[in-house]
Amino acid sequence: NAGVTQTPKFQVLKTGQSMTLQCAQDMNHNSMYWYRQDPGMGLRLIYYSASEGTTDKGEVPNGYNVSRLNKREFSLRLESAAPSQTSVYFCASSDLAGGGNEQFFGPGTRLTVL
Amino acid sequence: GEDVEQSLFLSVREGDSSVINCTYTDSSSTYLYWYKQEPGAGLQLLTYIFSNMDMKQDQRLTVLLNKKDKHLSLRIADTQTGDSAIYFCAESIGESYKLSFGAGTTVTVRA
Repeated sequence: NAGVTQTPKFQVLKTGQSMTLQCAQDMNHNSMYWYRQDPGMGLRLIYYSASEGTTDKGEVPNGYNVSRLNKREFSLRLESAAPSQTSVYFCASSDLAGGGNEQFFGPGTRLTVL
Repeated sequence: GEDVEQSLFLSVREGDSSVINCTYTDSSSTYLYWYKQEPGAGLQLLTYIFSNMDMKQDQRLTVLLNKKDKHLSLRIADTQTGDSAIYFCAESIGESYKLSFGAGTTVTVRA
């Protein structure tokens, strides 16, 4: 099991460029999440998908869109990147069947917007 | 997570115990979690506690929960250099899918 995988690991963009961050999980989890991590601020939820076919906004959704392509894959798109979106982005997945909502995290994508 | 607060830094001598503290504000929290993040990596769940428990022990880790004061702590016994990392406290509320994270405590273990 690879767990949660993310691509790319690093990316540098110019202001106004667009890109899609990819995430996949092989644990058959129903729920998937996108977070951003900024120094001194912990993790903030951007969007989540409780189950295949549904997506909902989190705490900081502005400037982002998501697609739950199938049960395995959940992508995050930046349509017009801004320097304020420089961050580390983490994808996570969980299965609520047993309660407790343990989330499993990918290794992250380090994004710099110039 | 503005509702979950942690101190930002902790320095501890190798072999000593580390205690990381966290406060949360939502009294309806159902589960409280401790995650560990090593440099350049994602977060890994260390342990969690259900809100009707006061204490949970797992090998070198002891979690204490004081619901009255909304205070959670993680004690690491016999701290090792491999314990150097950022530790995040998080809470989930009711049946919510969402976790609310603290800013993280950077633990540095010195020889």
